[in-house]
Amino acid sequence: AQKVTQAQTEISVVEKEDVTLDCVYETRDTTYYLFWYKQPPSGELVFLIRRNSFDEQNEISGRYSWNFQKSTSSFNFTITASQVVDSAVYFCALNYGQNFVFGPGTRLSVLP
Amino acid sequence: DTEVTQTPKHLVMGMTNKKSLKCEQHMGHRAMYWYKQKAKKPPELMFVYSYEKLSINESVPSRFSPECPNSSLLNLHLHALQPEDSALYLCASSGLYGYTFGSGTRLTVV
Repeated sequence: AQKVTQAQTEISVVEKEDVTLDCVYETRDTTYYLFWYKQPPSGELVFLIRRNSFDEQNEISGRYSWNFQKSTSSFNFTITASQVVDSAVYFCALNYGQNFVFGPGTRLSVLP
Repeated sequence: DTEVTQTPKHLVMGMTNKKSLKCEQHMGHRAMYWYKQKAKKPPELMFVYSYEKLSINESVPSRFSPECPNSSLLNLHLHALQPEDSALYLCASSGLYGYTFGSGTRLTVV
């Protein structure tokens, strides 16, 4: 079965704390893509990153970093020095062929 | 152009109205999708068009009618909707190197 699990339903942190959002996926395909999206209260789906299954290099973009580990089927997302504007629902997703499977999402609240 | 453009951004319609949602992309993607997202839930797939032909219909009620007039355009025709159909409707397209979502249409049925 193709599935994405985000075990953390809701996380609250205080501004400037680091926070890691977990994502575990299941797939039988050897070629697939993993995504992270941010959905702020305004509702639009904001693309953050796309990673293919053959590229296990970790990635850093400003305060955001991603840790992809095929051995544990995980694609975790860390926000360093969180800010109030990071408050949103974050979705991890798996794409194989035309199929796109979203995780249930993690609601992150960053308190001032 | 690396975007999927959806119009309108917001739509309020009565249960007897007929309206259409529009989605456009110019990335040469040959697959296009409609998703529905209810509050606090992930998006759920409704329809898939591949090379302008409907390839997947996820048991969507007939009051939602998709149309793909050409490879760049995808419409969703709405008729006799119910208040529970109120949601964010997302369009997406995919090609060899990408899967891209639009910003969505926030639909309210009154």
